[in-house]
Amino acid sequence: GQNIDQPTEMTATEGAIVQINCTYQTSGFNGLFWYQQHAGEAPTFLSYNVLDGLEEKGRFSSFLSRSKGYSYLLLKELQMKDSASYLCAVRDQDYQLIWGAGTKLIIKP
Amino acid sequence: IAGITQAPTSQILAAGRRMTLRCTQDMRHNAMYWYRQDLGLGLRLIHYSNTAGTTGKGEVPDGYSVSRANTDDFPLTLASAVPSQTSVYFCASSGGPYNEQFFGPGTRLTVL
Repeated sequence: GQNIDQPTEMTATEGAIVQINCTYQTSGFNGLFWYQQHAGEAPTFLSYNVLDGLEEKGRFSSFLSRSKGYSYLLLKELQMKDSASYLCAVRDQDYQLIWGAGTKLIIKP
Repeated sequence: IAGITQAPTSQILAAGRRMTLRCTQDMRHNAMYWYRQDLGLGLRLIHYSNTAGTTGKGEVPDGYSVSRANTDDFPLTLASAVPSQTSVYFCASSGGPYNEQFFGPGTRLTVL
C-alpha cells in the first residue's frame, strides 16, 4: 500500500529553526509537495521537489532524497504566524497526490 | 471570482437527505478534485476530473457522485447522507508550474 509518515505534532520557539520530516512509500514518484494549513483554512502550496537536493524559498527550504523515500521541510527564523499544520504529499505513478496526515507545529514565544 | 469558491461554507444535514456541494474555479484548470479531511487523517480523494466531461473515482468514492459539464464547475453530490460523511470537504484544481493543487475554502458538513 501507499503510505506517508510525518510526526503528529512538534513544538518550537519563536526565532528558532525547526525541521519537519516526511517519509514515503508510494507506487511510483512524480514529485513531492509541502503545503501549509492554518486552523480552519484551506491548504496552501509551499514547495515542490522532484530531484534530490535542497530547494530554498525565503525562510522555508525543502529537501528530497528519492533513494531514501525521505523529505524534510526546514523553517528558519520562526514567527508566531508559522503556527499551522504542514502537509507532505507525493504524486504517484497515476499523477494523484497521496497525503500525509500533517504535522501540527506549535510556536511558543 | 478569484481562484476557487465553494458553497455552502457550512451545512447541518439530516441523515438520508440529498446534498450537493458546489465548486467553481476561474483559473481555467483542466483537472479538479474533491477531498474530505477528517481529524488525524490526511486528505482523502473522493473523486477527480482530468478534464471537462470525464470523472474518476478516488480513494473513498462510495456514497458520493460528481459531474463535470464544463471546465469551471465540479459539484459533489451526496445522494443519501449518513453520519460518517460528517467532514470538511475541499475542492481543488491543479495548474501552475508544478501542476500544484489550489484549494477552495472548504465546506464543513455535519450529518445528524
